[in-house]
Amino acid sequence: DAKTTQPNSMESNEEEPVHLPCNHSTISGTDYIHWYRQLPSQGPEYVIHGLTSNVNNRMASLAIAEDRKSSTLILHRATLRDAAVYYCILRAYRDDKIIFGKGTRLHILP
Amino acid sequence: GAGVSQSPSNKVTEKGKDVELRCDPISGHTALYWYRQSLGQGLEFLIYFQGNSAPDKSGLPSDRFSAERTGGSVSTLTIQRTQQEDSAVYLCASSLRRDSYEQYFGPGTRLTVT
Repeated sequence: DAKTTQPNSMESNEEEPVHLPCNHSTISGTDYIHWYRQLPSQGPEYVIHGLTSNVNNRMASLAIAEDRKSSTLILHRATLRDAAVYYCILRAYRDDKIIFGKGTRLHILP
Repeated sequence: GAGVSQSPSNKVTEKGKDVELRCDPISGHTALYWYRQSLGQGLEFLIYFQGNSAPDKSGLPSDRFSAERTGGSVSTLTIQRTQQEDSAVYLCASSLRRDSYEQYFGPGTRLTVT
């Protein structure tokens, strides 16, 4: 399985943008980039996914490098409720399971 | 609508006992997944169901672990002769189809083996 590399933890101030990086230098052409997050004491929840183009939804934006070897999840205005572990995942089209790594623990400072 | 539900939310059992963990997926979701998360670790895939069949059991850690799904809905994960290393949060997820991009996770069952 293609792997991703994320920082173990990050801090950000409330109401500021947050950029969460992910490296995936061995990504293949059929791999989609997915992001999930896990709030304390909850199961993971889907955030966003993309293939080549940048993506936006109500939760976040996903910026994908032109060579697809890295990507960045952008939270435009962090709130305390965004404090969670964020997982960057590669998942081939029609893949069944999700292979989770260790993720980035995001701390939001009031 | 209702999300994925799991029961019990917490289970404490003695080493050597058998336990059953239940997952109710979102209605109409054909794909169902079991994961576990040990303390401070990421999520580990266990098994996947499409309908009632399990095409991928590759993540089950030993033959003490088994799972079934009946009626294309409820699934049960059974751990026989529990060991202390089985202590973890067991998470269930479902998706509309096996290749749907979004999996919906339940709140998990916290299993403690004493």
